[in-house]
Amino acid sequence: KQEVTQIPAALSVPEGENLVLNCSFTDSAIYNLQWFRQDPGKGLTSLLLIQSSQREQTSGRLNASLDKSSGRSTLYIAASQPGDSATYLCAVRNTDKLIFGTGTRLQVFP
Amino acid sequence: GAGVSQSPSNKVTEKGKDVELRCDPISGHTALYWYRQSLGQGLEFLIYFQGNSAPDKSGLPSDRFSAERTGGSVSTLTIQRTQQEDSAVYLCASSHSPDTQYFGPGTRLTVL
Repeated sequence: KQEVTQIPAALSVPEGENLVLNCSFTDSAIYNLQWFRQDPGKGLTSLLLIQSSQREQTSGRLNASLDKSSGRSTLYIAASQPGDSATYLCAVRNTDKLIFGTGTRLQVFP
Repeated sequence: GAGVSQSPSNKVTEKGKDVELRCDPISGHTALYWYRQSLGQGLEFLIYFQGNSAPDKSGLPSDRFSAERTGGSVSTLTIQRTQQEDSAVYLCASSHSPDTQYFGPGTRLTVL
């Protein structure tokens, strides 16, 4: 059974810091891995999607890497801003469904 | 265009009552998914629809949970004889391709 773990569970940093969020999964037979952002009272917003054949994806200040063989992904956030405060979820696609990690709650203070 | 919508946004019910949660997917999306987000449990898959059929209902936690989809559009998740452990945020997502799921804002269910 696929299990997805995220560390740290929570993170509080001052504005401007570069951050690394970690995601690990137990079964490397995945189609892809996604990073989502969740704001309170709102749905999930997809940030980055990495196909199983890819190593990384970049969007603005965000960079996500994937090492499928070791079952790991990292989300790098450069020059963090208070607006980045949210819960970040990684999810692996296993057939038709997504299997989510428990998330990292990020707070960036001015 | 409009995104995925869910209703109600909040639902408070008493233990033992039945509840219905509604999801309106993005027009034209053939796939629809239900997930549940519980405190301490993370976000877990419940059921997946392709059109009106549900090829994967493996995540439904008990036979008190059921879902249907009509006209390849609206879906209803029904929980019978609610229990306190059913309290959670129920999220719906729709997609036109397997890689991209668009999520609704969720329904927060509280069972007293």
